[in-house]
Amino acid sequence: GQQLNQSPQSMFIQEGEDVSMNCTSSSIFNTWLWYKQDPGEGPVLLIALYKAGELTSNGRLTAQFGITRKDSFLNISASIPSDVGIYFCAGRATGGSNYKLTFGKGTLLTVNP
Amino acid sequence: DSGVTQTPKHLITATGQRVTLRCSPRSGDLSVYWYQQSLDQGLQFLIQYYNGEERAKGNILERFSAQQFPDLHSELNLSSLELGDSALYFCASSALTESEAFFGQGTRLTVV
Repeated sequence: GQQLNQSPQSMFIQEGEDVSMNCTSSSIFNTWLWYKQDPGEGPVLLIALYKAGELTSNGRLTAQFGITRKDSFLNISASIPSDVGIYFCAGRATGGSNYKLTFGKGTLLTVNP
Repeated sequence: DSGVTQTPKHLITATGQRVTLRCSPRSGDLSVYWYQQSLDQGLQFLIQYYNGEERAKGNILERFSAQQFPDLHSELNLSSLELGDSALYFCASSALTESEAFFGQGTRLTVV
């Protein structure tokens, strides 16, 4: 089955620092999505990517769909305390009737003020 | 607010019982997904429906079943509940099978 490796598992950073996390897949994906989840809440969609090489920004967040279609990264610039949470990547494979969205295990981000 | 509504928010039940979780997708969305999230397993895909038909299946136990109704709301039925079924259950919806998915707030199920 599809495997998504998300790294790092956790990060502890100072406010104002930039953050980078990434996901790699054993399969080719045609969609990459990045979500943030706060404790006890549902994941909130941050960025959606649909084309290999695509680079998309949402405020201080930037994500890219890797050229090989097997990876994606998310960068957060100038982190602030409210960036704390768990960040998930999710990918959807190509072809056939395979529509399921597979999630990475998440990156727990802690921001020290 | 994502526009996806899940009820109930919390559910406590005993082992062996059966429960039904309900999801109303965003207005206009045809596709509904169900996920289970436990501490050590992350977000595990259970099943996806599109316009009333099953489109993709994950590692959903035989004790679990789901359906999507003509009005597009969906229900996840969990039966013969075990302690290990305690988890957060999320529903997500998308306009099409391949577009971005938006999550509800989840149902926290506790089996005692």
